[in-house]
Amino acid sequence: EVQLLESGGGLVQPGGSLRLSCAASGFTFSTYAMSWVRQAPGKGLEWVSAISGSGGKTYYADSVKGRFTFSRDNSKNTLYLQMNNLRAEDTAIYYCAKERESSGYFDFWGQGTLVTVSS
Amino acid sequence: EVVLTQSPGTLSLSPGERATLSCGASQSVKSRHLAWYQQKPGQAPRLLIYETSNRATGIPDRFSGSGSGTDFTLTISRLEPEDFAVYYCQQYGSTPLTFGGGTKVEIK
Repeated sequence: EVQLLESGGGLVQPGGSLRLSCAASGFTFSTYAMSWVRQAPGKGLEWVSAISGSGGKTYYADSVKGRFTFSRDNSKNTLYLQMNNLRAEDTAIYYCAKERESSGYFDFWGQGTLVTVSS
Repeated sequence: EVVLTQSPGTLSLSPGERATLSCGASQSVKSRHLAWYQQKPGQAPRLLIYETSNRATGIPDRFSGSGSGTDFTLTISRLEPEDFAVYYCQQYGSTPLTFGGGTKVEIK
């Protein structure tokens, strides 16, 4: 059974940093591209970043480019999202999501971790 | 960036009725790379449809998708009580990946 478990969310001040993790199990982790998708309170879904199975390629939404870094440790089946210079508009639930066959759509999602950026 | 516009914003229907949800793209979606998700309150999204018309594993056949180019549709043939939720379309034909704003299907 595929499981994705996010952690690391919390309250942080504007300009601060936070690192999210996503522990994966139930599939051959290194084979699949993965993404982070966020959802601001009461709003829709926004793709944030993607990473290839090997970790060699990463992609970012313009809204986070230069501030967020997506990485993975295939030996630990874990994803990381380093978020720096956080802004109020980064407040959201952050979901990690598995891409089906590195296609760009998501067949499994974690339950999400809430990031709140506020003073 | 491909902007997806979903309509209507809210659909008020009764169980047993047919639901038709639309997703319009600002430019043609490459290779019909469009997916649909269902999200219930407090839950993560769930994949329903990929490649415009293919149902994901375990999705009942009352859900169907169609369309091409810039116009796509999700149809729920007969609404069950568990189908009342928010539905999102997503294109994956080009980066950045983008989602529509969602359609809420509520009980009338």
